[in-house]
Amino acid sequence: DIVMTQSPDSLAVSLGERATISCKSSQSVLSSSNNKNCLAWYQQKPGQPPKLLIYWASARESGVPDRFSGSGSGTDFTLTISSLQAEDVAAYYCHQHCSIPWTFGRGTKVETK
Amino acid sequence: EVQLVESGGGLVKPGGSLRLSCATSGFTFSNAWMSWVRQAPGKGLEWVGRIKRIIDGGATDYAAPVKGRFTISRDDSENTLYMQMNSLKTEDTALYYCVAGLGATPLDAWGQGILVTVSS
Repeated sequence: DIVMTQSPDSLAVSLGERATISCKSSQSVLSSSNNKNCLAWYQQKPGQPPKLLIYWASARESGVPDRFSGSGSGTDFTLTISSLQAEDVAAYYCHQHCSIPWTFGRGTKVETK
Repeated sequence: EVQLVESGGGLVKPGGSLRLSCATSGFTFSNAWMSWVRQAPGKGLEWVGRIKRIIDGGATDYAAPVKGRFTISRDDSENTLYMQMNSLKTEDTALYYCVAGLGATPLDAWGQGILVTVSS
């Protein structure tokens, strides 16, 4: 199984400041079929289902604010919130869908400082 | 508007069974890979299993903890996804999400979830 290791577990950031979340996979999630990374990021607010933010490691889902960006390749990935807004308080999960079983990171809780 | 509405959850004793349903609308169900993802209370996300499109053979895959106990199926004529859950264990207690792969990823659109509680 591909293990997804997220860090940190939680993060307190001042409004308007940058938040950075790391996700490392135990094996490469670069797909040989299309040379894209099978890596997605989800945001989950309390009491709500997860919402897709980023797919193929760096493509922003339609409607997602451009302060959210994803980067990385192979085994090392990053989700960056360039200027934290109050509505960004949530848990964030990375996810790989290259290899069965699909797996998620344990999540990172982002709060305001 | 894409909608996925789960039903069939509830309280069941260990060893019991439940059948979850997911009624969908707003997209072409037959074109979507469909999955179940669960979340134990206060915990993270865990992929449960997936069923491919019928034109892809309708193959299923499952996570190890549920393999042999859970069965995912689909009815494209009713735009509905199912999951038969047998031999339930206390550790299966979770909010179960129905998830559709609409093109960007296999897990694009999520339902609100349905709670399954396994307890004596």
